[in-house]
Amino acid sequence: QVQLVQSGAEVRKPGASVKVSCKASGYTFTAYYLHWVRQAPGQGPEWMAWINPNSGGTNYAQKFQGRVTMTRDTSISTAYMELSGLRSDDTAVYYCARDADDYGDFSYYFDYWGQGTLVTVSS
Amino acid sequence: QSALTQPPSVSGSPGQSVTISCTGTSSDVGSYNRVSWYQQPPGTAPKVMIYEVSNRPSGVPDRFSGSRSGNTASLTISGLQAEDEADYYCSSYASSSTFVVFGGGTKLSVL
Repeated sequence: QVQLVQSGAEVRKPGASVKVSCKASGYTFTAYYLHWVRQAPGQGPEWMAWINPNSGGTNYAQKFQGRVTMTRDTSISTAYMELSGLRSDDTAVYYCARDADDYGDFSYYFDYWGQGTLVTVSS
Repeated sequence: QSALTQPPSVSGSPGQSVTISCTGTSSDVGSYNRVSWYQQPPGTAPKVMIYEVSNRPSGVPDRFSGSRSGNTASLTISGLQAEDEADYYCSSYASSSTFVVFGGGTKLSVL
């Protein structure tokens, strides 16, 4: 069965960086785009970025450009999201989510999600 | 502030029907058949319930249905059950750079 398993909760000080991992199993890792979506406490989700695990190509929301970096390691079917220059309003649960389309295109919805990683930014 | 507008809460009794609205603009909900709905019980990840306005993924009960009129999409849940109690979020394609935008969420209470 398809699974996305994320790394554990992190606490960082303002200005620091955090790197979250997302290990995929149960499907061909390189066949589906992976996205990162975050959800601040009591808020709706917010799309951040996608990565093409096959080519390594990425696209970042303008809001996060210059602060977010997505990478992947195909040998271990794992994607990573690194966010730098952390601020208190970056405190949120960060999810990796699989795009539902497997033909190298986008479906614009997410059929499998990781369990989420709470990132807390506090001095 | 979320890009799509949803009512903060709705409620209904078991067996009743409820409808959750999601209002966007002609640049997102009104222009693309890429509206989705997600169910999120507390402390869990979202689960897709409707995609492309009105399609149900395999395994989602047919009590869940989606529709759209102009810039407003709707999720209707008929035959309410206690297990339907959760937060519900809509999303829509917005642009190649924004990708998708979400609503602020609606808390469904089954009384």
